[in-house]
Amino acid sequence: DAGITQSPRHKVTETGTPVTLRCHQTENHRYMYWYRQDPGHGLRLIHYSYGVKDTDKGEVSDGYSVSRSKTEDFLLTLESATSSQTSVYFCATGDTDNEQYFGPGTRLTVT
Amino acid sequence: AQKVTQAQTEISVVEKEDVTLDCVYETRDTTYYLFWYKQPPSGELVFLIRRNSFDEQNEISGRYSWNFQKSTSSFNFTITASQVVDSAVYFCASGGSNYKLTFGKGTLLTVNP
Repeated sequence: DAGITQSPRHKVTETGTPVTLRCHQTENHRYMYWYRQDPGHGLRLIHYSYGVKDTDKGEVSDGYSVSRSKTEDFLLTLESATSSQTSVYFCATGDTDNEQYFGPGTRLTVT
Repeated sequence: AQKVTQAQTEISVVEKEDVTLDCVYETRDTTYYLFWYKQPPSGELVFLIRRNSFDEQNEISGRYSWNFQKSTSSFNFTITASQVVDSAVYFCASGGSNYKLTFGKGTLLTVNP
């Protein structure tokens, strides 16, 4: 295991409120990723980071922002949550061997 | 861009049957990596295997085996003598030089006692 934790593990929030999900790793991996998992879509990349303060968009980045101020933490922010962002969010970390290791997931419900 | 197709949405077998999960990939990278992950009902994603594009040797790990064929762009996963504990969603993924993975939509495997 890559020592990846996500917080919170479950969250219910209302439409229009800001939400921040946190991913923390203890493996000193360079790369970090945020995915969402929805039925029928598998895992889709939201944003990723290839170093401190270096981030880039994935395939479903609209409505999300990220920040990485130190190696071990990668934050995902929904500025104004919408019902379409109800999903399970997974963080992953990896290094130069291309392997990715996943956190336990966060189940987010936007009502 | 990479693309991964898992044509089998759901498979149901009886315990002790062998089952093969199909994965077809598309990539323009000359060096790429292929992966399988398992997601049991508890929800976590478990890394199973990584294969490099320059290594077509098949791999066996206990009841699990993987068949990598570049000629057909396939990376199939076989479970021999399936068990109820193998019930899960299995994801195939591919990655290239940009350290991003593209996942297939997954195959739900149900092993019935």
